[in-house]
Amino acid sequence: GENVEQHPSTLSVQEGDSAVIKCTYSDSASNYFPWYKQELGKRPQLIIDIRSNVGEKKDQRIAVTLNKTAKHFSLHITETQPEDSAVYFCAAITGYNFNKFYFGSGTKLNVKP
Amino acid sequence: DGGITQSPKYLFRKEGQNVTLSCEQNLNHDAMYWYRQDPGQGLRLIYYSQIVNDFQKGDIAEGYSVSREKKESFPLTVTSAQKNPTAFYLCASRAPTDNEQFFGPGTRLTVL
Repeated sequence: GENVEQHPSTLSVQEGDSAVIKCTYSDSASNYFPWYKQELGKRPQLIIDIRSNVGEKKDQRIAVTLNKTAKHFSLHITETQPEDSAVYFCAAITGYNFNKFYFGSGTKLNVKP
Repeated sequence: DGGITQSPKYLFRKEGQNVTLSCEQNLNHDAMYWYRQDPGQGLRLIYYSQIVNDFQKGDIAEGYSVSREKKESFPLTVTSAQKNPTAFYLCASRAPTDNEQFFGPGTRLTVL
């Protein structure tokens, strides 16, 4: 099955700096790659996603890039703010009807004011 | 909060007991999922269901059981066969025409 690896496990940045979180996947059939943000004790929420026919997608301070050949995708957060502090998960969708989500192990981002 | 609810929020269980976690959605989604989340780890798939009366095992189904008698409901039973059940359990649903999963607020299960 699919294997999603996520790095780093923790990331500490100064407010205003950029943060980059990277994920690799193993199943070349995966075609959808969402990123979720989970604040402490709360449910994960989708912040951005990318499909396999797109190389990059931006939404204000957040961007995601995908390299299908290398099977990796990254989350970029610019001008970080303290409210960006959370755990971020990447995921890849595969399986019959593309119904199985495989999640990375998460990155705890700490933005220092 | 997205139309998917889980209850209870906190659950305490004695060893050897079965417990059932509730998951309900009013989003008219066909697919529903159960995940387990442990500290420092990602979400691991326990079971998923694409339609009523059908479900498949995920990667860590041992010691768990589910049912899908109604489209809106996908309860998870943690049986005594699950050796380490203390964890945060998340339910999710997905529309057939969309890849986005919507998560419930979670149930934190603690075995005493």
